[in-house]
Formats: sequence, C-alpha cells, structure tokens
Amino acid sequence: NAGVTQTPKFQVLKTGQSMTLQCAQDMNHNSMYWYRQDPGMGLRLIYYSASEGTTDKGEVPNGYNVSRLNKREFSLRLESAAPSQTSVYFCASSEVRTGKDYGYTFGSGTRLTVV
Amino acid sequence: QKEVEQDPGPLSVPEGAIVSLNCTYSNSAFQYFMWYRQYSRKGPELLMYTYSSGNKEDGRFTAQVDKSSKYISLFIRDSQPSDSATYLCAMTTSGTYKYIFGTGTRLKVLA
Repeated sequence: NAGVTQTPKFQVLKTGQSMTLQCAQDMNHNSMYWYRQDPGMGLRLIYYSASEGTTDKGEVPNGYNVSRLNKREFSLRLESAAPSQTSVYFCASSEVRTGKDYGYTFGSGTRLTVV
Repeated sequence: QKEVEQDPGPLSVPEGAIVSLNCTYSNSAFQYFMWYRQYSRKGPELLMYTYSSGNKEDGRFTAQVDKSSKYISLFIRDSQPSDSATYLCAMTTSGTYKYIFGTGTRLKVLA
C-alpha cells in the first residue's frame, strides 16, 4: 500500500532554474492537492484538482503551474525558481463525495531549497 | 485574523499526562474537523475526523467540537514519548475540496 508517492525527496535549485515535482496516488482518489509548508505559516494550498481534467488555484498559486496527467498523477512545476519558493512541498489526495468527506492522505514531502 | 488559530507551543508534558490541544476558528460554516499528526520530516497523517459537533473517541485520543464557541480540542490520555510530534487541526465546509489548516502545535512528551 504505497498511498501517495512524491519525487524527488530533496532538491537544490539555483534561482531561475525550473523543475517539476511529481506525485502519484494508488488509492483511486478523485481529488489531489499541492501544499507548501513554511515555519509559522502552516500548510498553504497552492493548487488542487477536484477531479481528472480539472485544476484550480489555491491560496498561493503565483510562480507555479500544475498538470493533472491522469487520475493517479498530479505534477507541480516551478518555471523560474525564486528563493521565496524554498519550502517543503506536500502532495495529498482525498475522496470527496456529496455530504461526506474522508480527509487527506499526504505524501512524505519534497524539501526544496532555492539558492 | 486567520480563519483558524492554533497555539504553536511548544508544549512539554511528562509521560502519562493528559494533553489538551486546541484550535479556534471564525467561519461558522465549517462542518468537517480533523486532527493530523506530523512527525519531524514526515508528511501529516490523519488522526481523528469529526463531522459537526460532539465528541469522538479512538483509543487514547478524544476529539471534541464545540460549534457554538467555534472551538475544537484533541485530548491525549496517558501520553507517551511516541506522541511527540506536531499536531495540526484542519477544517472545511461541506462538499468543498479545500481544508484550512492551523499552523500546528508542537508537543514533546518527556520520559
């Protein structure tokens, strides 16, 4: 039972470089999310995908793009990395149905440093 | 003012103590309330889930929701050193996809 798998686990980028964070889930969940976690700020939603084929902005989308490749995979792209994007990034998935909610399953995170 | 407020701690208690962790919120439309536990350098894991008001118990853990006061609590009985972690509250309205998280309370249980 892998759950939510994120790659890579660690990354160091130079300012202006680009990279893609990968996320895959094997729980057949409809919804997937990207969060960033910073000290004192908690978890902040970057983008989410309610279902395959849809994506929407969250609280802090600037500087990021996403792709919901299929039901399993949801990637996050930094086109031109900035030091302010140094953070720990978490992917999560959930099953949301009308009148019910089952919470998130999180991946183990990607620690990104932009120098 | 943040939608969800949580005391960051750290909270240090001796082994065996009863721990009380709390969050307050401002949006009266929140209906789903959750507590996550996050060990250092790991992803959050779902600990307790409560719909609307009331209590829910699971082993040593009890989650309590008081919607009239916009206040939720997580109680840990007979706390163990393995309970040392950051505890995050999260909440959302019905049928949405976005949870609002508290900033987390760091708990340390001393052996």
